[in-house]
Amino acid sequence: EAQVTQNPRYLITVTGKKLTVTCSQNMNHEYMSWYRQDPGLGLRQIYYSMNVEVTDKGDVPEGYKVSRKEKRNFPLILESPSPNQTSLYFCASSLDLYTGEQFFGPGTRLTVL
Amino acid sequence: QQQVKQSPQSLIVQKGGISIINCAYENTAFDYFPWYQQFPGKGPALLIAIRPDVSEKKEGRFTISFNKSAKQFSLHIMDSQPGDSATYFCAASSGKAAGNKLTFGGGTRVLVKP
Repeated sequence: EAQVTQNPRYLITVTGKKLTVTCSQNMNHEYMSWYRQDPGLGLRQIYYSMNVEVTDKGDVPEGYKVSRKEKRNFPLILESPSPNQTSLYFCASSLDLYTGEQFFGPGTRLTVL
Repeated sequence: QQQVKQSPQSLIVQKGGISIINCAYENTAFDYFPWYQQFPGKGPALLIAIRPDVSEKKEGRFTISFNKSAKQFSLHIMDSQPGDSATYFCAASSGKAAGNKLTFGGGTRVLVKP
């Protein structure tokens, strides 16, 4: 089944404790992206990657890191999480930059205490 | 400041009625306007999309109307069904020029009453 998977789905952590949210897609998509969803704000892009070893900042990159060492994986790293990073996070992938449709993962709900 | 403004924030409609959600944008470089549907506990999924060379696109009970001069677009859900109860997001993109980033509206929670 073609899909984007994320792990973990739920995470409660404390301020300053480094964490990684994994994202993997099995559709051989070149483009991957991370969004955060907050009430009333819709989804906002954090980082994106156009291909292996190519990443760039989105609208809200502060406090986040990403890497793209393999085409299928695009982990999101919070080196020192803070309470304002409590949110619902989505990973998405797209075949290429000319195809508008993005496929979203099921989401990761993160709470930082 | 949101570049895509969506209204209303929530909507209650009777089964069989019409749901209408409106979006307005500022950036004239946007050239792709999708609508995403999100059910609780799930990621958003593409519902229908339009490019600015057409003024309307219909897929089943879902229709996008696009007004380029007013920089507005809307989603109409005809014959609304309880299974349409979900959160709907409009979005806009300027494609490769912006790394294929989707700029989302704030979302509209639609409840269809039986």
